[in-house]
Order: sequence, then C-alpha cells, then structure tokens
Amino acid sequence: GESVGLHLPTLSVQEGDNSIINCAYSNSASDYFIWYKQESGKGPQFIIDIRSNMDKRQGQRVTVLLNKTVKHLSLQIAATQPGDSAVYFCAENTGTASKLTFGTGTRLQVTL
Amino acid sequence: DARVTQTPRHKVTEMGQEVTMRCQPILGHNTVFWYRQTMMQGLELLAYFRNRAPLDDSGMPKDRFSAEMPDATLATLKIQPSEPRDSAVYFCASGFKGNEQYFGPGTRLTVT
Repeated sequence: GESVGLHLPTLSVQEGDNSIINCAYSNSASDYFIWYKQESGKGPQFIIDIRSNMDKRQGQRVTVLLNKTVKHLSLQIAATQPGDSAVYFCAENTGTASKLTFGTGTRLQVTL
Repeated sequence: DARVTQTPRHKVTEMGQEVTMRCQPILGHNTVFWYRQTMMQGLELLAYFRNRAPLDDSGMPKDRFSAEMPDATLATLKIQPSEPRDSAVYFCASGFKGNEQYFGPGTRLTVT
C-alpha cells in the first residue's frame, strides 16, 4: 500500500553553488537555535547554533541568520558539496531545561 | 572522539515482546534525551533526564514505555509489550549545561 509520511521540502542545488535553507520557528520566547544535519541511516549531527542576542553567526562554510521579528532562521552553506546532501533540521529551545523542539526538516540534494 | 553509543543498532521483534534499548551518553554529559523518529511524525522527544533524574517524560506512552538511568553511563528505554506502531528509529542524545545535544546513531526497531 501507499505510505504516507511527512512531506519534506526539497532543495536541489548544483555543486559549488550556495545553499540557503529556511526555517520558521513557532515560539517568540525561544532563545537558542540549532541547525542539525542528518545523513541517511545516521543520527542528527550538530552544525551550528545561535543565541537570540545575535542575528548572525558564522562557521566553516556555514552561516546562520536569525530574524526574531518574523521568527525566521536560515542556514547558508557556501560552495555546496555532494557531502552536504542530507536532511537539515532547525531546532529551538525556550530555555526549559535544554528541551529542543525540532522542525520537520528540509532535504538538500546536491547535483553534479 | 567522544560519541553517544546506542545498542542494538537494529532490532526486529514480534508484537507483544519486550524491547530494551541502551544508550551510553558522552562521559561528563549530565542530560540525556530519548527521541523517536518516524516518517509520519518526524523527530519526537519521548523523555529526558538531568543528573539521572527524569525531568519530562510527557512524550512517552506511559502504559508501555519506561525510561531509566541506572547510572551516569547508561540510559535505557523499554517497551513492554511492543506493538507494530512502535516501529521507528529511536535516538538517544546527551548534553551538558549548554543546549547542544549530541545524538547517537539510533536503534532501528521493527515490530512485526
């Protein structure tokens, strides 16, 4: 029978191009945000985080932007590589004992 | 290279059987989380512990699921009796003070 599941939005990017993955979060009280990467058959892997007192943070090839006014988070990946193909999740924390709420995820497909 | 470990990696069992999943958090981490990931629901928090004490298990079906931390190096998640709807990938994650959570590789459970 047909399986029904979460419809993951998919972003298809050519190798070498920049990727931008977006996330809308729900709680205006959230004060900490994380981006995770999950490859097939593996657990989510921490990429980068940002606190609510910042609007931008950079890592190696990745940048996270936070717009608290519209409750929007984005992950930018520079010079996307085939190894970046994965599902990317944003997660938010409202300060309640490190409890995170995860978004549904975005699948990034890198084409050669 | 400190990692969260989980055993078993795969488990196939029949409906009605007891299932026990184990997790070894990263040494020194004082917060442990159990998540379940399915195609239908995405990543759901089942329960979490701080300093071995349960803080929140509201995401867990209480009648059949139980989570414990017998010591600081071991967390367990038990399902008794298991049902086909419990089929999912179960992740353990650990963290300390900050909000980062480091995930294990997961246990893929299939209940027939």
